[in-house]
Amino acid sequence: EAGVAQSPRYKIIEKRQSVAFWCNPISGHATLYWYQQILGQGPKLLIQFQNNGVVDDSQLPKDRFSAERLKGVDSTLKIQPAKLEDSAVYLCASSFNRDGELFFGEGSRLTVL
Amino acid sequence: AQSVSQHNHHVILSEAASLELGCNYSYGGTVNLFWYVQYPGQHLQLLLKYFSGDPLVKGIKGFEAEFIKSKFSFNLRKPSVQWSDTAEYFCAVSSSSNTGKLIFGQGTTLQVKP
Repeated sequence: EAGVAQSPRYKIIEKRQSVAFWCNPISGHATLYWYQQILGQGPKLLIQFQNNGVVDDSQLPKDRFSAERLKGVDSTLKIQPAKLEDSAVYLCASSFNRDGELFFGEGSRLTVL
Repeated sequence: AQSVSQHNHHVILSEAASLELGCNYSYGGTVNLFWYVQYPGQHLQLLLKYFSGDPLVKGIKGFEAEFIKSKFSFNLRKPSVQWSDTAEYFCAVSSSSNTGKLIFGQGTTLQVKP
Protein backbone atom coordinates (compact mmCIF):
# COMPACT_ATOMS: atom_id res chain seq x y z
CA GLU A 1 0.00 0.00 0.00
CA ALA A 2 1.44 3.36 -0.99
CA GLY A 3 1.91 5.79 1.85
CA VAL A 4 1.20 9.49 2.15
CA ALA A 5 3.23 11.40 -0.41
CA GLN A 6 4.51 14.91 0.22
CA SER A 7 6.58 17.35 -1.79
CA PRO A 8 8.90 19.09 -1.73
CA ARG A 9 10.92 17.41 1.02
CA TYR A 10 12.98 20.52 1.65
CA LYS A 11 12.46 24.18 0.90
CA ILE A 12 14.52 27.23 1.78
CA ILE A 13 13.02 30.68 1.24
CA GLU A 14 13.52 34.20 2.46
CA LYS A 15 11.02 35.89 4.71
CA ARG A 16 8.08 37.49 2.95
CA GLN A 17 8.31 34.98 0.10
CA SER A 18 5.60 32.41 -0.53
CA VAL A 19 5.75 28.63 -0.52
CA ALA A 20 3.39 25.78 -1.26
CA PHE A 21 3.40 22.19 -0.11
CA TRP A 22 1.58 19.31 -1.72
CA CYS A 23 0.16 16.16 -0.20
CA ASN A 24 -1.38 13.05 -1.71
CA PRO A 25 -3.04 10.88 0.95
CA ILE A 26 -3.46 7.13 0.98
CA SER A 27 -6.10 6.09 -1.52
CA GLY A 28 -9.53 5.91 0.05
CA HIS A 29 -8.67 7.97 3.10
CA ALA A 30 -11.39 10.54 3.57
CA THR A 31 -9.71 12.58 6.28
CA LEU A 32 -6.58 14.64 5.65
CA TYR A 33 -4.58 16.65 8.14
CA TRP A 34 -1.80 19.22 8.00
CA TYR A 35 0.38 19.47 11.08
CA GLN A 36 3.21 21.88 11.84
CA GLN A 37 6.16 20.56 13.82
CA ILE A 38 8.60 23.15 15.11
CA LEU A 39 11.99 21.85 16.22
CA GLY A 40 11.82 20.42 19.74
CA GLN A 41 8.03 20.38 19.84
CA GLY A 42 5.31 17.92 19.04
CA PRO A 43 3.20 18.29 15.90
CA LYS A 44 0.40 20.85 16.05
CA LEU A 45 -2.73 20.51 13.93
CA LEU A 46 -3.19 23.32 11.43
CA ILE A 47 -6.18 22.06 9.47
CA GLN A 48 -8.30 18.95 9.12
CA PHE A 49 -10.36 18.05 6.04
CA GLN A 50 -13.11 15.49 5.73
CA ASN A 51 -13.32 14.81 2.00
CA ASN A 52 -13.10 18.37 0.62
CA GLY A 53 -14.72 20.11 3.58
CA VAL A 54 -12.89 21.72 6.50
CA VAL A 55 -13.53 20.07 9.88
CA ASP A 56 -11.14 22.12 11.99
CA ASP A 57 -8.90 25.06 11.13
CA SER A 58 -8.91 26.75 14.51
CA GLN A 59 -5.10 26.86 14.75
CA LEU A 60 -4.41 27.88 11.17
CA PRO A 61 -2.95 31.45 10.96
CA LYS A 62 -5.42 32.49 8.31
CA ASP A 63 -3.74 35.82 7.58
CA ARG A 64 -0.86 33.97 5.95
CA PHE A 65 -1.71 30.27 5.69
CA SER A 66 -4.25 28.73 3.37
CA ALA A 67 -5.07 25.17 2.44
CA GLU A 68 -7.36 23.46 0.04
CA ARG A 69 -8.37 19.95 -0.84
CA LEU A 70 -10.04 20.07 -4.19
CA LYS A 71 -11.98 16.97 -5.25
CA GLY A 72 -11.39 15.44 -1.83
CA VAL A 73 -8.09 13.83 -2.72
CA ASP A 74 -4.78 15.69 -2.71
CA SER A 75 -4.19 18.91 -0.86
CA THR A 76 -1.97 21.97 -0.91
CA LEU A 77 -0.85 24.15 1.97
CA LYS A 78 0.35 27.64 1.16
CA ILE A 79 2.17 30.22 3.23
CA GLN A 80 2.21 33.81 2.01
CA PRO A 81 4.12 35.77 3.17
CA ALA A 82 6.42 33.54 5.20
CA LYS A 83 7.88 34.62 8.53
CA LEU A 84 10.98 33.37 10.31
CA GLU A 85 8.82 31.55 12.86
CA ASP A 86 7.26 29.45 10.09
CA SER A 87 10.46 27.41 9.90
CA ALA A 88 9.23 23.92 10.70
CA VAL A 89 8.40 20.54 9.26
CA TYR A 90 4.96 20.43 7.70
CA LEU A 91 3.44 17.01 8.07
CA CYS A 92 0.54 15.69 6.09
CA ALA A 93 -1.44 12.78 7.45
CA SER A 94 -4.52 10.88 6.40
CA SER A 95 -6.92 8.45 7.98
CA PHE A 96 -9.63 6.18 6.68
CA ASN A 97 -12.10 7.67 9.09
CA ARG A 98 -11.79 9.88 12.13
CA ASP A 99 -10.71 7.11 14.49
CA GLY A 100 -7.35 8.59 15.34
CA GLU A 101 -5.07 6.18 13.47
CA LEU A 102 -3.25 8.69 11.33
CA PHE A 103 -0.79 7.74 8.61
CA PHE A 104 1.87 10.38 8.22
CA GLY A 105 4.00 11.41 5.29
CA GLU A 106 7.70 12.11 5.65
CA GLY A 107 7.12 15.83 5.90
CA SER A 108 8.27 18.96 4.13
CA ARG A 109 11.01 20.83 5.94
CA LEU A 110 10.78 24.60 5.53
CA THR A 111 13.58 26.98 6.42
CA VAL A 112 12.79 30.69 6.33
CA LEU A 113 15.85 32.97 6.26
CA ALA B 1 -7.91 23.28 26.55
CA GLN B 2 -6.34 19.89 26.09
CA SER B 3 -2.63 19.51 26.69
CA VAL B 4 -0.13 16.68 26.92
CA SER B 5 3.03 16.63 28.98
CA GLN B 6 5.90 14.22 28.50
CA HIS B 7 8.25 14.34 31.44
CA ASN B 8 11.39 12.97 29.88
CA HIS B 9 12.87 14.86 26.97
CA HIS B 10 15.88 12.65 26.42
CA VAL B 11 16.40 9.13 27.76
CA ILE B 12 19.53 7.05 27.34
CA LEU B 13 19.41 3.34 28.11
CA SER B 14 21.56 0.29 27.53
CA GLU B 15 20.17 -2.66 25.62
CA ALA B 16 18.03 -4.99 27.74
CA ALA B 17 17.16 -2.22 30.19
CA SER B 18 13.53 -1.59 30.99
CA LEU B 19 11.79 1.49 29.65
CA GLU B 20 9.04 3.69 31.02
CA LEU B 21 8.17 6.99 29.39
CA GLY B 22 5.80 9.24 31.26
CA CYS B 23 2.79 10.98 29.71
CA ASN B 24 0.16 13.07 31.45
CA TYR B 25 -2.72 14.83 29.82
CA SER B 26 -5.11 17.56 30.75
CA TYR B 27 -8.70 17.21 29.63
CA GLY B 28 -11.98 17.00 31.48
CA GLY B 29 -13.94 14.74 29.17
CA THR B 30 -13.60 11.34 27.54
CA VAL B 31 -10.28 10.96 25.80
CA ASN B 32 -8.54 8.68 23.38
CA LEU B 33 -4.84 8.14 23.93
CA PHE B 34 -2.02 7.31 21.57
CA TRP B 35 1.68 6.72 21.36
CA TYR B 36 3.38 7.46 18.06
CA VAL B 37 7.00 6.70 17.22
CA GLN B 38 9.40 8.23 14.72
CA TYR B 39 12.46 6.16 13.90
CA PRO B 40 15.46 8.01 12.47
CA GLY B 41 14.78 9.06 8.90
CA GLN B 42 11.25 7.68 8.91
CA HIS B 43 7.76 9.06 9.26
CA LEU B 44 5.62 9.07 12.38
CA GLN B 45 3.77 5.83 12.93
CA LEU B 46 1.27 4.53 15.43
CA LEU B 47 2.69 2.43 18.25
CA LEU B 48 -0.52 1.82 20.19
CA LYS B 49 -3.84 3.41 21.07
CA TYR B 50 -6.46 3.35 23.80
CA PHE B 51 -10.11 4.13 23.19
CA SER B 52 -11.92 2.14 25.89
CA GLY B 53 -11.90 -1.19 27.70
CA ASP B 54 -8.82 -2.83 29.20
CA PRO B 55 -6.59 0.03 30.40
CA LEU B 56 -3.49 -2.03 29.62
CA VAL B 57 -2.89 -1.72 25.91
CA LYS B 58 -0.40 -3.74 23.93
CA GLY B 59 1.17 -2.36 20.79
CA ILE B 60 3.73 -3.32 18.23
CA LYS B 61 7.29 -4.42 18.95
CA GLY B 62 6.60 -5.42 22.55
CA PHE B 63 5.46 -2.01 23.76
CA GLU B 64 2.55 -1.54 26.12
CA ALA B 65 0.90 1.38 27.86
CA GLU B 66 -1.36 1.69 30.86
CA PHE B 67 -4.17 4.20 31.13
CA ILE B 68 -4.66 5.37 34.72
CA LYS B 69 -7.69 7.64 34.66
CA SER B 70 -7.26 8.90 38.22
CA LYS B 71 -3.75 10.10 37.42
CA PHE B 72 -4.52 11.35 33.90
CA SER B 73 -1.58 9.27 32.76
CA PHE B 74 -0.76 6.98 29.86
CA ASN B 75 2.79 5.78 30.38
CA LEU B 76 4.63 3.72 27.80
CA ARG B 77 6.61 0.66 28.86
CA LYS B 78 8.83 -2.01 27.43
CA PRO B 79 10.53 -4.63 29.61
CA SER B 80 13.71 -4.91 27.54
CA VAL B 81 14.75 -2.35 24.95
CA GLN B 82 16.79 -3.02 21.85
CA TRP B 83 19.12 -0.77 19.89
CA SER B 84 16.45 -0.63 17.17
CA ASP B 85 14.09 1.13 19.61
CA THR B 86 16.17 4.28 19.27
CA ALA B 87 13.61 6.83 18.15
CA GLU B 88 11.48 9.75 19.19
CA TYR B 89 8.26 8.89 21.00
CA PHE B 90 5.19 11.10 21.10
CA CYS B 91 2.20 10.79 23.36
CA ALA B 92 -1.05 12.21 21.99
CA VAL B 93 -4.64 12.69 23.08
CA SER B 94 -7.89 13.38 21.28
CA SER B 95 -11.43 13.93 22.45
CA SER B 96 -14.37 11.71 21.66
CA SER B 97 -15.93 14.55 19.63
CA ASN B 98 -13.08 14.52 17.12
CA THR B 99 -10.93 11.46 17.55
CA GLY B 100 -8.68 12.42 14.66
CA LYS B 101 -7.63 15.78 16.07
CA LEU B 102 -4.52 14.81 18.00
CA ILE B 103 -2.85 16.98 20.63
CA PHE B 104 0.76 15.86 20.87
CA GLY B 105 3.26 16.11 23.68
CA GLN B 106 6.68 17.54 22.95
CA GLY B 107 8.24 14.12 22.47
CA THR B 108 10.89 12.01 24.17
CA THR B 109 14.08 11.05 22.40
CA LEU B 110 15.16 7.55 23.34
CA GLN B 111 18.74 6.52 22.68
CA VAL B 112 19.58 2.87 23.24
CA LYS B 113 23.25 2.02 23.51
CA PRO B 114 24.32 -1.37 22.15
